Amino acid sequence: QPVLTQSSSASASLGSSVKLTCTLSSGHSSYIIAWHQQQPGKAPRYLMKLEGSGSYNKGSGVPDRFSGSSSGADRYLTISNLQSEDEADYYCDTWDSNTWVFGGGTKLTVL
Amino acid sequence: QLQLQESGPGLVKPSETLSLTCTVSGGSISSSSYYWGWIRQPPGKGLEWIGSIYYSGSTYYNPSLESRVTISVDTSKNQFSLKLTSVTAADTAVYYCACLGGGYWGQGTLVTVSS
Repeated sequence: QPVLTQSSSASASLGSSVKLTCTLSSGHSSYIIAWHQQQPGKAPRYLMKLEGSGSYNKGSGVPDRFSGSSSGADRYLTISNLQSEDEADYYCDTWDSNTWVFGGGTKLTVL
Repeated sequence: QLQLQESGPGLVKPSETLSLTCTVSGGSISSSSYYWGWIRQPPGKGLEWIGSIYYSGSTYYNPSLESRVTISVDTSKNQFSLKLTSVTAADTAVYYCACLGGGYWGQGTLVTVSS
């Protein structure tokens, strides 16, 4: 089964950009992942599905400020022009043989 | 656009069975080639996949919970359900239902295990 590794925390200034990383375990570098945002006290919200090629497909209503990219086993979520409402936990997930696994999540602080 | 809503008791006694239902609206649970899943989040912690059911009825469970979990679907009511047996305080969490692969989440429901 794949394992997803995320940094526990990240921070960036209002109006700047930040790049969050989700790393797939060895042998799973081609896997598709999904990114989700969880604002404080709310349910997760699907952001996008991201392929190893870097191609991504965003969910309905996700702002253009959110984009995805890939390099090897790393899957990135870039948030541009950071807003206060972007302060949230960000999770990646993937699936294999009909089972799902989540990364530990990254807590993003907007300074 | 699909909408999912969890329902069920917010308090369950230790050793008893936790039962939750997810009602899907805005689309048919049986006409979509999606996986319908349950995910939980203990207070202050990350997301944990519990299990999923395919629209055909095939089920898949987290190995760490498999001996205690049953997920079923009722296509006539456009619902799917979760049963978790022999609960302990460690099962206290917010439980979410989701359309995995489709990108839809329910709002979540807090279930506390306590006597």
